[in-house]
Amino acid sequence: ILNVEQSPQSLHVQEGDSTNFTCSFPSSNFYALHWYRWETAKSPEALFVMTLNGDEKKKGRISATLNTKEGYSYLYIKGSQPEDSATYLCASANRNQGGKLIFGQGTELSVKP
Amino acid sequence: KAGVTQTPRYLIKTRGQQVTLSCSPISGHRSVSWYQQTPGQGLQFLFEYFSETQRNKGNFPGRFSGRQFSNSRSEMNVSTLELGDSALYLCASSLATSGGLDTQYFGPGTRLTVL
Repeated sequence: ILNVEQSPQSLHVQEGDSTNFTCSFPSSNFYALHWYRWETAKSPEALFVMTLNGDEKKKGRISATLNTKEGYSYLYIKGSQPEDSATYLCASANRNQGGKLIFGQGTELSVKP
Repeated sequence: KAGVTQTPRYLIKTRGQQVTLSCSPISGHRSVSWYQQTPGQGLQFLFEYFSETQRNKGNFPGRFSGRQFSNSRSEMNVSTLELGDSALYLCASSLATSGGLDTQYFGPGTRLTVL
């Protein structure tokens, strides 16, 4: 994997459904993996910063896991609500590159009431 | 604490012109990064400035340049505009205490349209 890739590109679910997305990133020189939520007409908002293999973070109904050896992270949303509708972005940071983040193209989530 | 601000919010230019975008970071933040977002391309890293020095650069032509002032405010300049430069330009600031671990806080963006 040379770039940061996210799947699926878009997802349409019903209110109450649980869902998950995947982020794949280069595992060499890995330093950190960021997740952001970007709602329409707003600025991207940070969800998690993860660094350690096996790391698991949780914020309300949203959680994320990290596998640095194989280069992937999963984001889970339990019991999706319409307010969860947004684009979810992941970004990787490599060692010795300061604050440079390489973003995936995002997963666009739409939750219907 | 005030968030990241960007001016102007919207801009319309014609091909061949140049443009300057401004970003004011959160107070105390020393790093400012710039990103370009176009449909289907996601957020593309342009450059990062820290303590008035460019610390990182993305894969963009030399027409894209930037600078940072002593108060951490940053400007981005695009010369000889092309139609493909039409995009949303986002800046993000961070404390810059731990490199890639720092959470970046994004501004609302400047929507540039090149005609």
